[in-house]
Amino acid sequence: DAGITQSPRHKVTETGTPVTLRCHQTENHRYMYWYRQDPGHGLRLIHYSYGVKDTDKGEVSDGYSVSRSKTEDFLLTLESATSSQTSVYFCAISVGGTNEQFFGPGTRLTVL
Amino acid sequence: GNSVTQMEGPVTLSEEAFLTINCTYTATGYPSLFWYVQYPGEGLQLLLKATKADDKGSNKGFEATYRKETTSFHLEKGSVQVSDSAVYFCALYYGNNRLAFGKGNQVVVIP
Repeated sequence: DAGITQSPRHKVTETGTPVTLRCHQTENHRYMYWYRQDPGHGLRLIHYSYGVKDTDKGEVSDGYSVSRSKTEDFLLTLESATSSQTSVYFCAISVGGTNEQFFGPGTRLTVL
Repeated sequence: GNSVTQMEGPVTLSEEAFLTINCTYTATGYPSLFWYVQYPGEGLQLLLKATKADDKGSNKGFEATYRKETTSFHLEKGSVQVSDSAVYFCALYYGNNRLAFGKGNQVVVIP
């Protein structure tokens, strides 16, 4: 257990509204990630962070922004949610020196 | 670029049958390779890994061997149980602490 929590675990929202998902870790890991999981696509990287205020884009970053003001928290924001962003979102951390990633329990987001 | 390809479609098999899930990769050099498992309603869990050619990763009765000649990392288990029903993802490390994942395979084990 890498001490990763995500909130909320489930959310239903309407098209055009802003949404923020939170990932929290308790073990001071430097690297954090946001993925989305969709049928037929597996996991795709949205954004990742390599330290406080240090973030970079992944392969599907359009429509998403992130922030990391503290080591333990990594926020994913959908500025104006669209139905194509209905998905399950996973946060992960990387254990330094191993290339291994450990995942949170996920957030199921539905955009109507 | 760096990518992972898993066999298409779900896998359905009977309890105690032999399981194989194919994984091939495209990468520069010899990246570390991983298998992750996702049980229903949960996040992914690291199942096993291999960091160099000819390495064999193993855990919970599952095995996978890093084959550079065939650029493959197939997952095998000799006798599956109902509790092995899950989605299995192959992944590779491609630098800057990032992983590339395959699309996953749903495994259903029937009693």
